[in-house]
Amino acid sequence: EVQLVESGEGLVQPGSSMKLSCVASGFTFSNYGMNWIRQAPKKGLEWIALIYYDSSSKYYADSVKGRFTISRDNSKNTLYLEMNSLRSEDTAMYYCAGGTGWFAYWGQGTLVTVSS
Amino acid sequence: DIRMTQSPASLSASLGETVNIECLASEDIYSDLAWYQQKPGKSPQLLIYNANSLQNGVPSRFSGSGSGTQYSLKINSLQSEDVATYFCQQYNNYLYTFGAGTKLELK
Repeated sequence: EVQLVESGEGLVQPGSSMKLSCVASGFTFSNYGMNWIRQAPKKGLEWIALIYYDSSSKYYADSVKGRFTISRDNSKNTLYLEMNSLRSEDTAMYYCAGGTGWFAYWGQGTLVTVSS
Repeated sequence: DIRMTQSPASLSASLGETVNIECLASEDIYSDLAWYQQKPGKSPQLLIYNANSLQNGVPSRFSGSGSGTQYSLKINSLQSEDVATYFCQQYNNYLYTFGAGTKLELK
C-alpha cells in the first residue's frame, strides 16, 4: 500500500522558518518526481514545488520562489520543504504528492499556520 | 503561467443524472490535463490523466475528454459517493496549475 506521511505541522510567527517532511512507502520513491501542493482554508489547490527523482531539477511557483526549498533523501525515502520568511498567506494544508505531471499519490497533509 | 478556468463553480444534480464539468486552458496544453476528486476533509485523488486515461481503480462512470484548450470531465449515473469538489490540473509546463474547483452536491 502506498503511503505518504507528512510531518512538521504547527503554528509559527510571520517571518519565521519551518521545515516539513514527507516519508514515503509502498512504491519506489527514488523513481518518482515529488511535489508539494498546498490548500489554504476553504480554497483551491496550489502547486508550489517539484523535484525530479534524482534531484537534478527543481521548480517553484512564483509565490514561494526564493523563500522555499524542496529537497529529498532517496536513502531515507523522504521529501522535505524548507520554508523561510513565512507570511500569513502561507497558511495552508501542505500535501506531498508523487508524480511528474499528474499526481497519483497524495499524503494526508500537514497544517501550517502563520500568525502572530 | 497557464490559467485554468473551471466551470461551473458549483453544481447540484440528482442521483442517476449525468454531470459535466468544463476546464478551459489559457493556451494549448496538448492534453496534458488531469482531474482530481476531493471529498471533505480528505486529500485529493487522481481520477483522469492525459485528458482521457482512467486511473486504476476509478469507476468507469468517470470519463475525460477534450483537446487543445477545452476539456471536460463527465460523470455518468451520479452516485451519492460522488459528492465532492473536482479540480482540473495542467502539466504542459513545469509551472503546474489547477482550476479553482467545482463543488458537486446532490439535489
